[in-house]
Amino acid sequence: DAKTTQPPSMDCAEGRAANLPCNHSTISGNEYVYWYRQIHSQGPQYIIHGLKNNETNEMASLIITEDRKSSTLILPHATLRDTAVYYCIVRPKSGGSNYKLTFGKGTLLTVNP
Amino acid sequence: DAGVIQSPRHEVTEMGQEVTLRCKPISGHNSLFWYRQTMMRGLELLIYFNNNVPIDDSGMPEDRFSAKMPNASFSTLKIQPSEPRDSAVYFCASRWDHTDTQYFGPGTRLTVL
Repeated sequence: DAKTTQPPSMDCAEGRAANLPCNHSTISGNEYVYWYRQIHSQGPQYIIHGLKNNETNEMASLIITEDRKSSTLILPHATLRDTAVYYCIVRPKSGGSNYKLTFGKGTLLTVNP
Repeated sequence: DAGVIQSPRHEVTEMGQEVTLRCKPISGHNSLFWYRQTMMRGLELLIYFNNNVPIDDSGMPEDRFSAKMPNASFSTLKIQPSEPRDSAVYFCASRWDHTDTQYFGPGTRLTVL
């Protein structure tokens, strides 16, 4: 599986957009980019995923660069409840091990009042 | 929808005792995952079931760990005998294969004294 690189921590002011970067320079054409987050003392929560097009849902937007070597998760209006560890994960679209989510260390996003 | 249900939420036991963790996946999901999270190793996949059959148990630490899924609505993770190094948060997750998204339970925090 392709590896991902994320900054260990970021801060954001409440109400502002939070932009979380992820590098996945060795991603292959068959691999999705997934984002999960883990709020303290809870299980990980799915946020969004994409292959090569930008995606948006009720939680966030995902911007994937044209060469697919990096992506940015955008929380448009961060709230205090968005404080969490955010994981960027690359996994195959299909194939024998496509069920695997390999969690790295993620980015601790702290939203400040 | 109740989500993934895990019990107990907290377990404190003494070294050498048997520990059984329980999981009820989301109704209709056909894949189930057990993960372990520690500060040192992060979030690791222990075992993956598909349609109640264990597919990948390569993450199970050793023979002291065993997992079963007798039916589509119930799974157990057993540790016997338990050791202090087994102290961790254990998460269960389920998925309907057609959606690719894993839904995590709240976790069981295990402390082995």
